[in-house]
Amino acid sequence: EAQVTQNPRYLITVTGKKLTVTCSQNMNHEYMSWYRQDPGLGLRQIYYSMNVEVTDKGDVPEGYKVSRKEKRNFPLILESPSPNQTSLYFCASSLTGTFSYEQYFGPGTRLTVT
Amino acid sequence: DAKTTQPPSMDCAEGRAANLPCNHSTISGNEYVYWYRQIHSQGPQYIIHGLKNNETNEMASLIITEDRKSSTLILPHATLRDTAVYYCIVRVGGMNRDDKIIFGKGTRLHILP
Repeated sequence: EAQVTQNPRYLITVTGKKLTVTCSQNMNHEYMSWYRQDPGLGLRQIYYSMNVEVTDKGDVPEGYKVSRKEKRNFPLILESPSPNQTSLYFCASSLTGTFSYEQYFGPGTRLTVT
Repeated sequence: DAKTTQPPSMDCAEGRAANLPCNHSTISGNEYVYWYRQIHSQGPQYIIHGLKNNETNEMASLIITEDRKSSTLILPHATLRDTAVYYCIVRVGGMNRDDKIIFGKGTRLHILP
């Protein structure tokens, strides 16, 4: 089944403790992206990647890191989480190329930083 | 800032057509219009997209004005399961180095029984 998976789905952590949220897709998509969603603010893009070893900042990259060493994986790293990073996070992927393609979203990761 | 403007909320009676407007007055010639929806806190779901022609699929129809500055998503026979937040976005097609995507706040559609 074509899908985007995220782990963990729920995470409660403390300020300053490094964490990684994994994202994996099995559709051979070039484009991958991370979003955060907060009440009243909609979906905001954190980072995106056009392909392996190519990453770019989205609208709200501060406090986050990403890497794209393999096509299928795009982990989101919070080196020193803070309470303002408490949010619902979504990973997404899509094809790129001559035409434009829809994004497939993962189920979300609910992160709480205390 | 989002490249699109949508009303924050709308109501529609069950069984009627839901027409969701979107303004994208600064759209470029190579930007597509996409619609997604999000039910509760699930991952957003793709609905439809188009460049300049009207499009229809099993879920909805997309009507894009001739000047491409606005569009309307039509759910022909709305059901209670269509209650969701609907997002209209524009996105450049092709191998574009700068493919940042801005979702905006969307329209919260309430289907009334």
